[in-house]
This record gives sequence, C-alpha cells and structure tokens, in this order.
Amino acid sequence: EDKVVQSPLSLVVHEGDTVTLNCSYEVTNFRSLLWYKQEKKAPTFLFMLTSSGIEKKSGRLSSILDKKELFSILNITATQTGDSAIYLCAVNKNSGYALNFGKGTSLLVTP
Amino acid sequence: NAGVTQTPKFQVLKTGQSMTLQCAQDMNHEYMSWYRQDPGMGLRLIHYSVGAGITDQGEVPNGYNVSRSTTEDFPLRLLSAAPSQTSVYFCASSYDGTGYEQYFGPGTRLTVT
Repeated sequence: EDKVVQSPLSLVVHEGDTVTLNCSYEVTNFRSLLWYKQEKKAPTFLFMLTSSGIEKKSGRLSSILDKKELFSILNITATQTGDSAIYLCAVNKNSGYALNFGKGTSLLVTP
Repeated sequence: NAGVTQTPKFQVLKTGQSMTLQCAQDMNHEYMSWYRQDPGMGLRLIHYSVGAGITDQGEVPNGYNVSRSTTEDFPLRLLSAAPSQTSVYFCASSYDGTGYEQYFGPGTRLTVT
C-alpha cells in the first residue's frame, strides 16, 4: 500500500527560527512530489520535485528530494508569523493521475 | 480568469438528504478531482476525471457520484448524506494529471446532522 508520511505533525517555533519539515514516501512508480501550503482555505502550490538532489528555492523556502532514500524536506529560514500554516506533501505516480497526500505538518510561528 | 470555483461555501444537510456540490474551472484543464479533508487525515481523493466523459474512483468513493459532461464542470453528488460525510470538500484541476500542479478551489464545508 502506498504511503506518504509527514513529520512532525505539529511544530511551534519563534519568529526568526529555521524549520525543516519532512516527508517520506513509499509508492510504486513514483513520478513527482509536491509541497503545498494551506492557510485557512485551499492549499496553494509551493514546489514540485521530480529529480533527486536538485534544490527548488523560492525566497526563504527551499525543498529537495532524495529518490534513493525516498524522502523530501522543506526548509523555511527566518520564519515569520505569516508562515503559520499546514504544509502538505503529496506524491504523484506514473500509473495514475491522483495525488496521494500526507497528513500534513501544522506549523505555528510565534512573535 | 476565476480559476477553480466551488459552490456552496457552506451546507448543512440532514441524514438521508441528497445534494450536489458544484465545481467549475475556466483554465481549460483536462484533469479534475474531488478531495475531502478531515482533521488529522490530510486530503483524501474521492473521484477524479481525466477529461470530459471519463471518471474514476479514488481512495474514498463510497457514497459519492460524479459525472463530467463538459471540460469546465465536475459536480460531486451525495446520494444519501451520512454524518460520516461531514467534512471540507475541495475540488482541484490541472493541465493534466502527469505531475503538473493542481489548483484548488476554496472548498465547501459540509455538515450532516
């Protein structure tokens, strides 16, 4: 059975801290891994990763995929209160069209 | 360009009632899907469609029906609502299903009493 596991499930940090969110997966026919940020409403897209070892970066957020060890990390540096959200990891397979989501990491950044 | 729209935003149903959640997109995307999100469970796929006239089941399809008569619309029907269907429902679309990012609608919060 396919699995996408995120850790930690929740995290509280102070503004300015750096955080690392983890996503491990066990799926057959892996195609891509996606990260989403969900505030109060719909998830919004952050990154899509398909190749091992290539970092994707957007401002203070970055992500990397390790296809050998079957995991990805999402880093957020110099956190701000606006980074408070649920961060979702999802995996897409070659054999289908669906996204298989993890349960998410709830991040709270305190002033 | 409105993106993905969903109606209604909120709905309360009594057990046994039926209803349709509407989803529309104006991006000419082939792939559309419905997810439900429950606390501590992440997003789970209900049904998806890879084009007009083609639908398939996801992880949790029981109690739901879909159809796709046009590229733009992908309604989700609850046949006989049950309290276990209380959830937030998201519709999503993408250019195709092959790893392109999926755009999500704003969600429908459904309560079944």
